[in-house]
Amino acid sequence: EDKVVQSPLSLVVHEGDTVTLNCSYEVTNFRSLLWYKQEKKAPTFLFMLTSSGIEKKSGRLSSILDKKELFSILNITATQTGDSAIYLCAASRDTGRRALTFGSGTRLQVQP
Amino acid sequence: EAQVTQNPRYLITVTGKKLTVTCSQNMNHEYMSWYRQDPGLGLRQIYYSMNVEVTDKGDVPEGYKVSRKEKRNFPLILESPSPNQTSLYFCASSFLPGTNYEQYFGPGTRLTVT
Repeated sequence: EDKVVQSPLSLVVHEGDTVTLNCSYEVTNFRSLLWYKQEKKAPTFLFMLTSSGIEKKSGRLSSILDKKELFSILNITATQTGDSAIYLCAASRDTGRRALTFGSGTRLQVQP
Repeated sequence: EAQVTQNPRYLITVTGKKLTVTCSQNMNHEYMSWYRQDPGLGLRQIYYSMNVEVTDKGDVPEGYKVSRKEKRNFPLILESPSPNQTSLYFCASSFLPGTNYEQYFGPGTRLTVT
């Protein structure tokens, strides 16, 4: 059975801290790993990673994929209170089934 | 404005009373999907559709039906809702996976079955 595991489940930091969120996966015919941010509404897309070792960056957020060790990390530097959210990772399959498997999420709280 | 819409946003119903949650997207996306989100379980895929008249089960399809008669619409049907289907439901859409697999999510439907 396909599985995506995120850690930690919850994290509390202070503004300015750097955080690393982890996502490991066991997915048959893996295609890509996606990261989403969910505040008090629908998830919004952050990154999609398909190749190992290529870092994707967007401002203070960056992410990288390791297809050999089957994990991805999401880094957030100089955190701000607006970064408080649930961060979700999801794995997609490279088959006709195109389904996504999500992890349970990491709840990040950034305190002033 | 490019968006995914869902209706209703909130629904309280009783066990066994058939209901439909509508989903519509205006981005000409081929791929549409339904998820439910429960505390501690993340998002779990119920059904998805890769194009008109093409649907398939996700991870938790029991108790749900879908149809895809038009490209823009993908309704979720609960023929006989039960309390364990109380959840937050999201519809999502995207172009078919290629170099871009970004999924756009609707605002969510909070369903309570008593």
